[in-house]
Amino acid sequence: QVQLQESGPGLVKPSETLSLTCAVSGDSMSSGSYYYSWIRQPAGKALEWIGRIYISGKTNYNPSLKSRVTILIDTSKNQLSLKLTSVTAADTAVYFCARQLVGVTTYEKWGQGTQVTVAS
Amino acid sequence: NFMLTQPHSVSESPGKTVTISCTRSSGSIADNYVQWYQQRPGSSPTNVIYEDDQRPFGVPDRFSGSIDSSSNSASLTISGLKTEDEADYYCQSYDTSFEVFGGGTKLTVL
Repeated sequence: QVQLQESGPGLVKPSETLSLTCAVSGDSMSSGSYYYSWIRQPAGKALEWIGRIYISGKTNYNPSLKSRVTILIDTSKNQLSLKLTSVTAADTAVYFCARQLVGVTTYEKWGQGTQVTVAS
Repeated sequence: NFMLTQPHSVSESPGKTVTISCTRSSGSIADNYVQWYQQRPGSSPTNVIYEDDQRPFGVPDRFSGSIDSSSNSASLTISGLKTEDEADYYCQSYDTSFEVFGGGTKLTVL
């Protein structure tokens, strides 16, 4: 069964860089069948799309976050990563990774999410 | 880029039918497919409708989706409400390089 598992520090200081990893198990990212995205959700608030990546390395980012976001893929480790620079309290959220089958617009598999708090 | 606007909350009694709307701010709702997700507290979202009106395998036929070009909106309708349907519901759409989620609707089944 395919699983996506996010991991990373639960606490990040303001102005520093948030770094998360999403490990994919039960399927090979090298198949090229999926886009992989990062999505976040502040407590009690809506989902916000951060960006996505394909195995070619091609990325798309939310314009509101583009200047601070980098998403990378490592097919040898079957994982993707998220880096968000210059974080503030507004970046405190649960961060999810999720995937879309190429040619299909729905997110068919999500990770369980990981809480990241920005505080000194 | 466009926005998707949902009512903040809706409530209905068990056994009744409820409809949640999702209005697109610019461009046509018919330009790009709309998806709907159910999210229970503490859990990841799960897809209940894809490509406007398609149900994933395992989703009961009490869940249905539609779009209305006249109001430029999509709708999620849940009939025969059950207490287990109480959750947050999000619509989602996209353009060529951008994904958009609605603000979410809290469904209370009382």
